[in-house]
Amino acid sequence: SYVLTQPPSVSVAPGKTARITCGGNNIGSKSVHWYQQKPGQAPVLVIYYDSDRPSGIPERFSGSNSGNTATLTISRVEAGDEADYYCQVWDSSSDHMVFGGGTKLTVL
Amino acid sequence: EVQLVESGGGLVQPGGSLRLSCAASGFTFSSYWMSWVRQAPGKGLEWVANIKQDGSEKYYVDSVKGRFTISRDNAKNSLYLQMNSLRAEDTAVYYCARDRRGWYDYWGQGTLVTVSS
Repeated sequence: SYVLTQPPSVSVAPGKTARITCGGNNIGSKSVHWYQQKPGQAPVLVIYYDSDRPSGIPERFSGSNSGNTATLTISRVEAGDEADYYCQVWDSSSDHMVFGGGTKLTVL
Repeated sequence: EVQLVESGGGLVQPGGSLRLSCAASGFTFSSYWMSWVRQAPGKGLEWVANIKQDGSEKYYVDSVKGRFTISRDNAKNSLYLQMNSLRAEDTAVYYCARDRRGWYDYWGQGTLVTVSS
């Protein structure tokens, strides 16, 4: 089955740029989606199809995907961005949805 | 406004059964795939199952195959998850989510299932 690998944690100072990676075999050939989850809340979609933003998501959130790594980039990080972030793909070979293990973003 | 409201969670003994429901509103339910996704305490997200618009296709994660059944009633705008032979490792918050056939644009608030004696 397809595996997505994320770093357990990323720390960043306010106003700086956070980059959260998602590794997978030839992930660049798949569409990657990203979710933000704050404590006690349901996940919220922040990026879909590698780099598209849903309405209501700040432009500070962006995504890219190439080769074996997809990246969620959060510019000008704010305290309110502190959350767990999950990448996700659809493995068409098994018709299964696959999530990464999640990355806890800490704003210093 | 799209709303997904789960219900039916609770405490159940190992080997027991539970049926989760998800009431959908604010969109044409019959036009979308739907999914169940779970999250064990302190753990990450795990896709459980999904179902096609008309119920003709269903897919499950290997760990629940043969024990869980996903279904829907488009007339009632509702999604269901019948869970049998429950195990301690099924303990989790269960979310229903609108499935865009590859990603999720709306999630419910979740319902907690605890399997314990």
